[in-house]
Amino acid sequence: GEDVEQSLFLSVREGDSSVINCTYTDSSSTYLYWYKQEPGAGLQLLTYIFSNMDMKQDQRLTVLLNKKDKHLSLRIADTQTGDSAIYFCAERNNQGGKLIFGQGTELSVKP
Amino acid sequence: KAGVTQTPRYLIKTRGQQVTLSCSPISGHRSVSWYQQTPGQGLQFLFEYFSETQRNKGNFPGRFSGRQFSNSRSEMNVSTLELGDSALYLCASSLAGVTKNIQYFGAGTRLSVL
Repeated sequence: GEDVEQSLFLSVREGDSSVINCTYTDSSSTYLYWYKQEPGAGLQLLTYIFSNMDMKQDQRLTVLLNKKDKHLSLRIADTQTGDSAIYFCAERNNQGGKLIFGQGTELSVKP
Repeated sequence: KAGVTQTPRYLIKTRGQQVTLSCSPISGHRSVSWYQQTPGQGLQFLFEYFSETQRNKGNFPGRFSGRQFSNSRSEMNVSTLELGDSALYLCASSLAGVTKNIQYFGAGTRLSVL
């Protein structure tokens, strides 16, 4: 079946690194995504990774994919108060455009 | 390039009414998907349209329907509204290909059913 799991909350100090974890069940997932949602807003695409990659880096963001364990993580370096938001992991398989989302991880950054 | 535009941003309806939400995709994007976001159920896929045809559908009752026009703009309709339909409705657009299908989201329409 299709299922994506994330921890619900993460609290870090400004300047620290944040690591948000996600597990998924669909082994046929082709792309995995990270979206950010600020209060009252839609979803902002942060980054994505193709299933044949292990890692992708984009400025302060690093995505790690362990396909064997179906585990995805998003690391935010030098976390800022502006990074406070809900972060969603999502997967997509080959069957069309449907995204399966996790419950979202609320990141709180304390000064 | 303008992003995905959803109108209206906020809507208040009463039970039993119907509602139509609109989504204009990013210029050049031909696929439009709709999602419902609620505190209890999270983000759930409603349907996807491509070239005016429904390509994929989620597990929602028939009260939820949609369509796509020749200019790729899409509308979704909910008939006989129920209190549980109160949610943020998000539209996403992507290029035609299924292979990459990076979906970009609009700001959403927040529907409150009283």
